[in-house]
Amino acid sequence: AQSVTQPDIHITVSEGASLELRCNYSYGATPYLFWYVQSPGQGLQLLLKYFSGDTLVQGIKGFEAEFKRSQSSFNLRKPSVHWSDAAEYFCAVGGLARAGTALIFGKGTTLSVSS
Amino acid sequence: KAGVTQTPRYLIKTRGQQVTLSCSPISGHRSVSWYQQTPGQGLQFLFEYFSETQRNKGNFPGRFSGRQFSNSRSEMNVSTLELGDSALYLCASSLGGGDRWSSANYGYTFGSGTRLTVV
Repeated sequence: AQSVTQPDIHITVSEGASLELRCNYSYGATPYLFWYVQSPGQGLQLLLKYFSGDTLVQGIKGFEAEFKRSQSSFNLRKPSVHWSDAAEYFCAVGGLARAGTALIFGKGTTLSVSS
Repeated sequence: KAGVTQTPRYLIKTRGQQVTLSCSPISGHRSVSWYQQTPGQGLQFLFEYFSETQRNKGNFPGRFSGRQFSNSRSEMNVSTLELGDSALYLCASSLGGGDRWSSANYGYTFGSGTRLTVV
């Protein structure tokens, strides 16, 4: 089935350590790819997006993501995590013919930051 | 500039009642989408409006409806509320032209959501 998969439900990282959140999609063509972050009780904030061009995308708050076509992956990374990064992170795809204007979201990864 | 504004932030309703949620998009954005977020199902697309016309609809029952006004503000309505309708309802606006390419290219800005609790 076509889907967006975030394999890690919950990740705990020490403050100052590096972070990588995984995202895989299973659609034939390369869709638009997004990473959003959601703090408790809040809406979604766009971190970065990718459609074409350089496969390493820079986003806000020091985040970056790398698109790997061969692995159908779009993993989010940050070299040094801050306590304020604790939140839920969602990978999403858009621009799909079968979904029209809808974004298809993964189930999310909750990031906890330990001191 | 102001972001996407959703009102109210919180609602408590009783089973069988109906509810109307409101969304004011970013100025200049004419595309408005609605999503339902629950712990079990995650984020699911409800519908999208552009220029007062529904352009896309997700897989939800007819109890869920929406509309968009000439000023691009949008409302969604849920009739005959069920316990399972308890969720965070998120609205997103886009500069896109109501098609999948421009919508994805411009991306979506989300509001803070309306938390609906059905008791």
